[in-house]
Amino acid sequence: EPEVTQTPSHQVTQMGQEVILRCVPISNHLYFYWYRQILGQKVEFLVSFYNNEISEKSEIFDDQFSVERPDGSNFTLKIRSTKLEDSAMYFCASRITGGAFYGYTFGSGTRLTVV
Amino acid sequence: DQQVKQNSPSLSVQEGRISILNCDYTNSMFDYFLWYKKYPAEGPTFLISISSIKDKNEDGRFTVFLNKSAKHLSLHIVPSQPGDSAVYFCAASGTSYDKVIFGPGTSLSVIP
Repeated sequence: EPEVTQTPSHQVTQMGQEVILRCVPISNHLYFYWYRQILGQKVEFLVSFYNNEISEKSEIFDDQFSVERPDGSNFTLKIRSTKLEDSAMYFCASRITGGAFYGYTFGSGTRLTVV
Repeated sequence: DQQVKQNSPSLSVQEGRISILNCDYTNSMFDYFLWYKKYPAEGPTFLISISSIKDKNEDGRFTVFLNKSAKHLSLHIVPSQPGDSAVYFCAASGTSYDKVIFGPGTSLSVIP
């Protein structure tokens, strides 16, 4: 069964450093997403991406965050200057069609720890 | 901003019995409601969804019921199996936007 692959599974970084979280969505999917879950809290929407541009973003997704699909297969989330409160599980997701009804396929996540 | 609420953080059920997970929402603009299951160290897995024009959708052991007037939905799992033990997230979305808004989750334990 096709999977969304995320690397690394765990990343530890110093506060103020830049991190890039990587995702390989399912190959024929067209819509891409990043969500995060701070420990003990709910899964929160960060950003959606379609046709090589951001289609929607949340208040969390400020100027420190950016997304890119550099080569037609990878989908990356960059945090320019990490803060302690960025520590969370970051989930990439993709789906083939528009419309939320059919659900996303999520990756297994990257645990980001900012120290 | 608690648009999707799951008021029971945990639920324990005997194997073979019915599990009922509940969810309430506040935004009447939601058009779709979804349930996801999550195991530790894995991403959420889509289970089942329902459109706001329906009141029931069934897929195998999983049935979702929607009561629009009460802004309430529930997921029924019959019969419950130990492998169903996981965190279940209720989620909602709408045609006017693409994102999915998740509830806080209910941890289900199915006891053999």
